[in-house]
Amino acid sequence: AQSVTQPDIHITVSEGASLELRCNYSYGATPYLFWYVQSPGQGLQLLLKYFSGDTLVQGIKGFEAEFKRSQSSFNLRKPSVHWSDAAEYFCAVGPYNFNKFYFGSGTKLNVKP
Amino acid sequence: ETGVTQSPTHLIKTRGQQVTLRCSSQSGHNTVSWYQQALGQGPQFIFQYYREEENGRGNFPPRFSGLQFPNYSSELNVNALELDDSALYLCASSPRPGLAGGDSYEQYFGPGTRLTVT
Repeated sequence: AQSVTQPDIHITVSEGASLELRCNYSYGATPYLFWYVQSPGQGLQLLLKYFSGDTLVQGIKGFEAEFKRSQSSFNLRKPSVHWSDAAEYFCAVGPYNFNKFYFGSGTKLNVKP
Repeated sequence: ETGVTQSPTHLIKTRGQQVTLRCSSQSGHNTVSWYQQALGQGPQFIFQYYREEENGRGNFPPRFSGLQFPNYSSELNVNALELDDSALYLCASSPRPGLAGGDSYEQYFGPGTRLTVT
């Protein structure tokens, strides 16, 4: 069965500290992986995506993610967190024709001043 | 360029009623997907429409149905509302269903419609 697991429901980091949000997936075919961010009252915004090739992908707002097939993981990272990064982050997986998506339950990020 | 818009913003319905939610896709996008996001959960895929045909469906019962119009706008209809249908309903449009390895694939999400069923 296809699924996405985000083990951390809430994470709090200090502004300027590094960040890693975990994502593990279970998918029967070649996964196409995504990270989205959702701020209160706003829709989801795509941060980055992985289709193939280099397993380290760069996204917007200084985020990056690394695909590790052996660990079925696609963790999101940022070297230095800003207060404006406080939001909820969702990992998602889809098939090659993108006609169905599976989202994780999200990780809510708080940033301490 | 106009983004994805959804109406209404909020809606309150009674159990057993029917509801229609609307979505206008971004200009040039012919694919629309609908998601249900319950409080504290991630979005769950309901279905996708491409060129007015259902192109994929998640694990939702038939009382969840949809339409896509020639201008690519879309409706989500839910019949016989249940309390568990209370959620944020998100619409997302994209240029096309997706091409393997296509760099341009991206879903653009609307702000959602908050449905409360009492």
